Amino acid sequence: SQTIHQWPATLVQPVGSPLSLECTVEGTSNPNLYWYRQAAGRGLQLLFYSVGIGQISSEVPQNLSASRPQDRQFILSSKKLLLSDSGFYLCAWSVAGELFFGEGSRLTVL
Amino acid sequence: KQEVTQIPAALSVPEGENLVLNCSFTDSAIYNLQWFRQDPGKGLTSLLLIQSSQREQTSGRLNASLDKSSGRSTLYIAASQPGDSATYLCAVHSGGSNYKLTFGKGTLLTVNP
Repeated sequence: SQTIHQWPATLVQPVGSPLSLECTVEGTSNPNLYWYRQAAGRGLQLLFYSVGIGQISSEVPQNLSASRPQDRQFILSSKKLLLSDSGFYLCAWSVAGELFFGEGSRLTVL
Repeated sequence: KQEVTQIPAALSVPEGENLVLNCSFTDSAIYNLQWFRQDPGKGLTSLLLIQSSQREQTSGRLNASLDKSSGRSTLYIAASQPGDSATYLCAVHSGGSNYKLTFGKGTLLTVNP
C-alpha cells in the first residue's frame, strides 16, 4: 500500500534562518505531489504542485520554493524565514483523482 | 474562480444522533468532490470521494451526496460517536490535467458522550 512520510513533525526557527521540509511517498510511481499550508483560522492554501521530476508549479508568490529531485521526493525550502511563514505545512499526493495527505509539519518562526 | 463554503462552522451534538454537514460550491463544472477528516494537529484523512457522475458514496456510517446542478454536497454521519469529533473539510476539484482542489474552511464537529 502507499504511504507518505513527512518530516520534521515540529520545528521552531528564528526569523531569517533557512528551512527544509521533506516529503517522500512509497508504494507508487510518478505521483502528483503537493505542498499546502494551513494557517491558524484559515483554510488550506496550495503552495506548490509537481507532476514530475524537476517540474514545479507555484500557486502564490512568496518566500518559499519547492524542488522534486526524485520521483517520490518533494522538498519545501526557504533561504530566509519570515514571521508570516509560520503555519502547518502538509505534503500530499494524488492518484486516480484522489488526494492523500501526510501528517504535517508545524513550523513556528520566532 | 471556484469558492467552497461549509456550514455550519461548528456543530455540537449528543452521542447517537444522526447529523448532516453541508458543503456548497459556486462553479458546478467539477471533476470530483472529496470529504476529509482532520484531527487536531494532524494531517487530513480522506473519507469519501465522489466523482462528478455519481450521486452518492457510502463508507460505513458515512454517506456523502452530490448535487452538481445546485452546487451542493452533504456528509451524513449516522449514530454519531465521540470518536467522530474532528474537523470535516470538503474539497472540490474543478478539472484540468493537474490536480488542484479548492477547500472549504471546515466544520468542527463535537460529539458529546
